[in-house]
Amino acid sequence: EDKVVQSPLSLVVHEGDTVTLNCSYEVTNFRSLLWYKQEKKAPTFLFMLTSSGIEKKSGRLSSILDKKELFSILNITATQTGDSAIYLCAPAAGGTSYGKLTFGQGTILTVHP
Amino acid sequence: DTAVSQTPKYLVTQMGNDKSIKCEQNLGHDTMYWYKQDSKKFLKIMFSYNNKELIINETVPNRFSPKSPDKAHLNLHINSLELGDSAVYFCASSQDPGILAKNIQYFGAGTRLSVL
Repeated sequence: EDKVVQSPLSLVVHEGDTVTLNCSYEVTNFRSLLWYKQEKKAPTFLFMLTSSGIEKKSGRLSSILDKKELFSILNITATQTGDSAIYLCAPAAGGTSYGKLTFGQGTILTVHP
Repeated sequence: DTAVSQTPKYLVTQMGNDKSIKCEQNLGHDTMYWYKQDSKKFLKIMFSYNNKELIINETVPNRFSPKSPDKAHLNLHINSLELGDSAVYFCASSQDPGILAKNIQYFGAGTRLSVL
């Protein structure tokens, strides 16, 4: 059975801190890994990673994938209160699982002023 | 315009009732999904449809029946509701999961179902 484990489960920091969120996975027919941010409602897309070692960046957020060790990290620098959310990691499968995302349990990030 | 919209946002009902949740996407995507997010916040896929054809059908009780009248709509009908069905149900869509760059899924705001 496909498995995705995120750590830490929760994290409390102050504005300006840097955080690293971890995601390890075991997924059959792995194709890519997606990161989402979930505030009160819909998960919103952050990154899609397909190749090992190539960092993706968007402002203060960056992410990288290691397909050999089966993990990914999401970094957030100079955190702001608006970064408070649940961060979800989701490997995508191919083959007969055609587009299936298997989500981790998420990391709850709380950023205090 | 909301890209993926679900109705209703909240649904409170009694055990044993039958209810439906509707989902529509205006992104022109070919594939739509239903996910269930339980109290522990795990998001788990239930179904996916590609151009009205069922593609993924996870281990879900057959009280849950998805219906896709066209590729822009995927509705979820639930018969004989049980307490354990209480959760947030999310609809999502993607352009074409067969193409790597087009497998980004966009989510609706969710429907919070409470079964009493």
